Amino acid sequence: SQQGEEDPQALSIQEGENATMNCSYKTSINNLQWYRQNSGRGLVHLILIRSNEREKHSGRLRVTLDTSKKSSSLLITASRAADTASYFCATVLSGGGADGLTFGKGTHLIIQP
Amino acid sequence: GAGVSQSPRYKVAKRGQDVALRCDPISGHVSLFWYQQALGQGPEFLTYFQNEAQLDKSGLPSDRFFAERPEGSVSTLKIQRTQQEDSAVYLCASSLVTGPGVEKLFFGSGTQLSVL
Repeated sequence: SQQGEEDPQALSIQEGENATMNCSYKTSINNLQWYRQNSGRGLVHLILIRSNEREKHSGRLRVTLDTSKKSSSLLITASRAADTASYFCATVLSGGGADGLTFGKGTHLIIQP
Repeated sequence: GAGVSQSPRYKVAKRGQDVALRCDPISGHVSLFWYQQALGQGPEFLTYFQNEAQLDKSGLPSDRFFAERPEGSVSTLKIQRTQQEDSAVYLCASSLVTGPGVEKLFFGSGTQLSVL
């Protein structure tokens, strides 16, 4: 079963614009992570935000977390063609457990040159 | 190696055939995970190892699926009597951290399995 649900499922924007994608989850978390997957490749870790944090930045990435709404958003500023990929949120449930990360279905982002 | 290595990259099997998928994690990474990713979906958890111990295999879809990591490094995912519904990308990931609060998994490029 998948804990996270990304929205939108697909997003197409022009190069240089900002891209925002959202993630909702169902149960209490320890941390939430965002991953990128280029076509035919494995997933690459982008950023992690802990349950006691509200916002985090890394380069052109900005992540927010609202634990009361059980939601997170990923903002990519000044998008580039190379940002075209699928983006997944993944949660680590509070209380841990050995099953690591639970992924959503992803947002497929297309940056038009 | 520098990253997680999986082999083969592609595998075509006839229905009923047995297959074995290999994962070489990053050296020193204690935790190893297997995920199954269907086309257009997110990765679904299969099983988890801490060193050589398989601590969670709750995601394995049936008893045809078997995973091992006998020396705490390389892992093999074996699927017996493959079925068409087994067609998917099988991803391996490793992590330095163990236990609760898993952070930053490093993924291999996956093995794309096609069962005809």
